[in-house]
Amino acid sequence: GQQLNQSPQSMFIQEGEDVSMNCTSSSIFNTWLWYKQDPGEGPVLLIALYKAGELTSNGRLTAQFGITRKDSFLNISASIPSDVGIYFCAGPYGSGNTGKLIFGQGTTLQVKP
Amino acid sequence: AAGVIQSPRHLIKEKRETATLKCYPIPRHDTVYWYQQGPGQDPQFLISFYEKMQSDKGSIPDRFSAQQFSDYHSELNMSSLELGDSALYFCASSLNGAGARGYGYTFGSGTRLTVV
Repeated sequence: GQQLNQSPQSMFIQEGEDVSMNCTSSSIFNTWLWYKQDPGEGPVLLIALYKAGELTSNGRLTAQFGITRKDSFLNISASIPSDVGIYFCAGPYGSGNTGKLIFGQGTTLQVKP
Repeated sequence: AAGVIQSPRHLIKEKRETATLKCYPIPRHDTVYWYQQGPGQDPQFLISFYEKMQSDKGSIPDRFSAQQFSDYHSELNMSSLELGDSALYFCASSLNGAGARGYGYTFGSGTRLTVV
């Protein structure tokens, strides 16, 4: 079945550094979504990408929809302590377009002040 | 702005007991999705409803059932609980099938179920 491979699994960086994480799939996705999850909370949508090659920014976050439609990356510039959390890529999957999402395994980000 | 409300936030049950989790979507949202997230895992899709009808089903055990009511809130009923059911259960909602068009949707804060 469809699977999203997300890397790296975890990152421990210094405040102010830039961060990059990516997601790949063996299947084509028509939408790529990036979520952030804080401990004990639900995922929060950060960026949504709908078109191959699309580059979208949301503040210090930038994400791109790969040309092959099988990958996406998320960059965080000038990290701050509140960026700590788990970042997930996700995409709608399955037939019927019901909106169910498949998630990557997540990237745990820790920022040292 | 109103968000997706889930209750209870925490629930402790014993094996073989039953549990009911409730989800109140954002006002006017007509679609509800349920996900299960085990410790250290990514969220896994369980089931969804659109306009009070089941729209899709994922890896939901037969011991679980769910429905969406006339006011669009949804309940996830879990019976014969097992230790492995311990997880975070998230509900998400969207408007007019926007989720189905890949626009992403809003998640609630979840219910943490612990089975002992």
